[in-house]
Amino acid sequence: EPEVTQTPSHQVTQMGQEVILRCVPISNHLYFYWYRQILGQKVEFLVSFYNNEISEKSEIFDDQFSVERPDGSNFTLKIRSTKLEDSAMYFCASTPGRGPREQYFGPGTRLTVT
Amino acid sequence: AQKVTQAQTEISVVEKEDVTLDCVYETRDTTYYLFWYKQPPSGELVFLIRRNSFDEQNEISGRYSWNFQKSTSSFNFTITASQVVDSAVYFCALSGVFTGGGNKLTFGTGTQLKVEL
Repeated sequence: EPEVTQTPSHQVTQMGQEVILRCVPISNHLYFYWYRQILGQKVEFLVSFYNNEISEKSEIFDDQFSVERPDGSNFTLKIRSTKLEDSAMYFCASTPGRGPREQYFGPGTRLTVT
Repeated sequence: AQKVTQAQTEISVVEKEDVTLDCVYETRDTTYYLFWYKQPPSGELVFLIRRNSFDEQNEISGRYSWNFQKSTSSFNFTITASQVVDSAVYFCALSGVFTGGGNKLTFGTGTQLKVEL
């Protein structure tokens, strides 16, 4: 069964460093998402992406964040200058088409900023 | 703005008991979708069920069933004959219909379910 994959599973970085989190959505899916979950808290929406552009973003997704689909398979989230409060689990998700459908989530990347 | 409330932070049951997880939502959308996701200790988010706002028929799927009541803005989820493997955090989520096609999920705070022998 096709699944969303994410790399790395765990990333440790120092405050102020740039990180890139990678995701490979399910191959025939068209809509892509990033969410984050601070330890023990709820899952929060960051950004949605379609047709090579952002379709919606949350207040969390400020200028320090960016997303990109550099090729036909990868979907990346970049944090330019990490802060301690960026420490969280980051989930990538995808859906096959328009409209509210169930989103299929990757296993997540645990980002630890020290 | 959309909001999902899961008032139960933690529930403990003994195996084979039935357990109901509560979810109350707020939205101004007339059409919306509700979901339940499971997050086992391994951390991934697993889709369980989806229900749209214009279909209040309640359904059963195996040991899972759900009760959607638009009048009370509730979307409760029941596990029948719970098993230890059901131990996880369960999230209720809400999605509106966005004209751009993308549909963010608004999650509740989750309910930790512990099923003990």
